Amino acid sequence: QVQLQESGPGVVKPSETLSLTCTVSGGSISSHYWSWIRQPAGRKGLEWIGRIYISGATNYNPSLKGRVTMSRDASKNQFSLKLRSVTAADTAIYYCGRDDCSGGGCYPDSWGQGTLVTVSS
Amino acid sequence: DIQMAQSPSSLSASVGDRVTITCRASQSISTYLNWFQQKPGKAPNLLIYAASSLQSGVPSRFSGSGSGTDFTLTISSLQPEDAAIYYCQQSNSSPPTFGQGTKVEIK
Repeated sequence: QVQLQESGPGVVKPSETLSLTCTVSGGSISSHYWSWIRQPAGRKGLEWIGRIYISGATNYNPSLKGRVTMSRDASKNQFSLKLRSVTAADTAIYYCGRDDCSGGGCYPDSWGQGTLVTVSS
Repeated sequence: DIQMAQSPSSLSASVGDRVTITCRASQSISTYLNWFQQKPGKAPNLLIYAASSLQSGVPSRFSGSGSGTDFTLTISSLQPEDAAIYYCQQSNSSPPTFGQGTKVEIK
């Protein structure tokens, strides 16, 4: 069974870049699509950040106004998220997920446990 | 973006009750609708995909229905472990969007 684990700094300063990595075990990142989703800490609500495809192509949420970059490293079975010019509004729990696209559309069928990132000076 | 509206925002029900949560899309999404359950401190967990397909390992008391703009998640006999927040998500068009969540509490 696939397992995902997010890692990265828990605190990022305003205007700097948030960088997170998702390490995948029990499956190859070269055989699925992978997503990042975030949730404001202590609140309801989920926001899709973006997806990286088997080809390496990416698709991002336009709401993040071009601040997002996703990439992957097949040799390490990892994929990554960079979010530039962060503000307090980017404080959230960040989840990585594996997308299943076989049942109609794409949806995360496996999730990491999530990592809290706080934007603060 | 497609807007997803869930109702109610919260509910309280007794063990054994039948519980229904509704999700409405701002435009037709065919059956590209998924349901997730999130317990406190945990990541969301996929329950239903493509409106009515039960994810492997999910108890059969959970079911989904609907198409177009109106969808329903039903718990046929509420159990204590079903206390959670439930989210719908559309996967018809990018960006995928979620409902605001429905909190289910046990009386």
